[in-house]
Amino acid sequence: EVQLVESGGGLVKPGGSLRLSCAASGFTFSSYSMNWVRQAPGKGLEWVSSISSSSSYIYYADSVKGRFTISRDNAKNSLYLQMNSLRAEDTAVYYCARDGRKHITVTLNWFDPWGQGTLVTVSS
Amino acid sequence: QSVLTQPPSVSGAPGQRVTISCTGSSSNIGAGYDVHWYQQLPGTAPKLLIYGNSNRPSGVPDRFSGSKSGTSASLAITGLQAEDEADYYCQSYDSSLSGSRVFGTGTKVTVL
Repeated sequence: EVQLVESGGGLVKPGGSLRLSCAASGFTFSSYSMNWVRQAPGKGLEWVSSISSSSSYIYYADSVKGRFTISRDNAKNSLYLQMNSLRAEDTAVYYCARDGRKHITVTLNWFDPWGQGTLVTVSS
Repeated sequence: QSVLTQPPSVSGAPGQRVTISCTGSSSNIGAGYDVHWYQQLPGTAPKLLIYGNSNRPSGVPDRFSGSKSGTSASLAITGLQAEDEADYYCQSYDSSLSGSRVFGTGTKVTVL
């Protein structure tokens, strides 16, 4: 069974840092691009960042560029999101999501499956 | 901010047909990029419902169908059921920023 399990969320003060992790199982992790998507409380979905299978291509939303860093360790089947200079507006549930199909360009791909999410709260 | 616009809510009685629109622009849907749809039941993670404009993953009932035309896409639910009450999001790619995936604003479907 394909499974994604996020961890690392919690309460952090504005300006602080947090590192999220996503443990993948049930598929060949090194063959797929991976993504982070967030959802603020009561709000819609927002794409945050993507990383290709070999980490050659990395993309960020404007709202997090320069503050967040996505990375992966294919030997550990794990995806990470290092979040620095956190702001109140970064408060959200952060989902790890796999690209739906391997060897397909980002322009065509979708998100499937998704993890259960981890809550990040930025507040003093 | 979302660049794909959806109606905030739609509703229908059990058994009825409802449609959700997803309106984009020439840098996303209108540029020919595929549209995908997700269902988010209350308190759960989103789940893929339609990919590549009109394809259903295995396990998704054929009551759900997708289409795309010009700068818009639509999701139709026929034979509406109580368990279809959820939030629905469209998603595509936007060429205005490299690598940028974009989501719709989301639509709450209520079964009356």
